[in-house]
Amino acid sequence: AQTVTQSQPEMSVQEAETVTLSCTYDTSESDYYLFWYKQPPSRQMILVIRQEAYKQQNATENRFSVNFQKAAKSFSLKISDSQLGDAAMYFCAYRRAEIQGAQKLVFGQGTRLTINP
Amino acid sequence: DAGVTQSPTHLIKTRGQQVTLRCSPKSGHDTVSWYQQALGQGPQFIFQYYEEEERQRGNFPDRFSGHQFPNYSSELNVNALLLGDSALYLCASSRGRFYEQYFGPGTRLTVT
Repeated sequence: AQTVTQSQPEMSVQEAETVTLSCTYDTSESDYYLFWYKQPPSRQMILVIRQEAYKQQNATENRFSVNFQKAAKSFSLKISDSQLGDAAMYFCAYRRAEIQGAQKLVFGQGTRLTINP
Repeated sequence: DAGVTQSPTHLIKTRGQQVTLRCSPKSGHDTVSWYQQALGQGPQFIFQYYEEEERQRGNFPDRFSGHQFPNYSSELNVNALLLGDSALYLCASSRGRFYEQYFGPGTRLTVT
């Protein structure tokens, strides 16, 4: 079974600075997807960024980028120029890429990010 | 374009009762997945519906059941409620089973 681990229950950063959230995962699959989701106090889970395992290039979405290390099974999220609106719970998630079977998401335990003004 | 909607927003039930939660998928989506998120935890997969059939199930007892209607909306039913069923229940929809899942705002269920 696949597992996702986020070892940082809480992180904080000064506004406008950079912060990195860590995630490791365990799988025997060679093809899969990895995601970072943001869950603000409104509870709505919002997709921040996704990475296909077969792509060597790290995904980037504006101020958000990832460092994907396939051999190490590591998938960290870097937030640059942190803004107050970035404060939320961040979840790392894994999904198999096989065609057969339902594509459930496997989530980590989450990291609570606080932005200090 | 309406996103994923869920009802009700909050619900309080007593142990032993039954509850039904509802989800309407995003326009153009035909697949609905349900997740349970206990306080302070990541969401756990309950099951997924596609073409009105349950396609895969997570590690949840038979007290948890679901249904998908021809218009792709879905219901989650939980029987014989336990205190441990208190959680945020999230619905996610996607276009087909292999595409991005978009989440609704969730239903907060409290069992007393």
